[in-house]
Amino acid sequence: NAGVMQNPRHLVRRRGQEARLRCSPMKGHSHVYWYRQLPEEGLKFMVYLQKENIIDESGMPKERFSAEFPKEGPSILRIQQVVRGDSAAYFCASSPAGLAGEETQYFGPGTRLLVL
Amino acid sequence: DQQVKQNSPSLSVQEGRISILNCDYTNSMFDYFLWYKKYPAEGPTFLISISSIKDKNEDGRFTVFLNKSAKHLSLHIVPSQPGDSAVYFCAAYKTGKLIFGQGTTLQVKP
Repeated sequence: NAGVMQNPRHLVRRRGQEARLRCSPMKGHSHVYWYRQLPEEGLKFMVYLQKENIIDESGMPKERFSAEFPKEGPSILRIQQVVRGDSAAYFCASSPAGLAGEETQYFGPGTRLLVL
Repeated sequence: DQQVKQNSPSLSVQEGRISILNCDYTNSMFDYFLWYKKYPAEGPTFLISISSIKDKNEDGRFTVFLNKSAKHLSLHIVPSQPGDSAVYFCAAYKTGKLIFGQGTTLQVKP
């Protein structure tokens, strides 16, 4: 009965490199969400995905960031040409489909990205 | 534009006493409110939620109260235990998105 899984747990990148963060939702969940937590702040919504569809990306920076949730495999948050300001903890969450229980999102352990 | 606010950055209580964590919001269109607990280097853990049509929900030691006219909710933990020491986030839900407060660090002293 695995929870939300994220890898890697820690990721170090140099400025200009690409970062790929992976998330496998809980079994039976088809909705995936990504959040970012900057130091000393709360979590900020980035994107909401269902299989092969982006439902809401209103929290995603306009450039360099993209997310996908393919039919097979984990959800991927991709950050191109990383900058120091991208250093943060990135959390993935999942919830079941349908209206009942959709509001309760279960979080993974996070990926801590450090940009040097 | 902070739609969900937790105005107390920290709270310290004695073991066995009640902990009360507060949260204010500005948007009356939220459907649910949730509380999460977070330890360092871990993801948030869901604690308890309340629908916007209710005013109280209880689960064991945790009770959430919602005052819609004041746009205020609170989490009561009684009795508090040292293992409750963590950062507590309140969050508001609307159409697939959780909006989080800044968090309150609770310390329960033995």
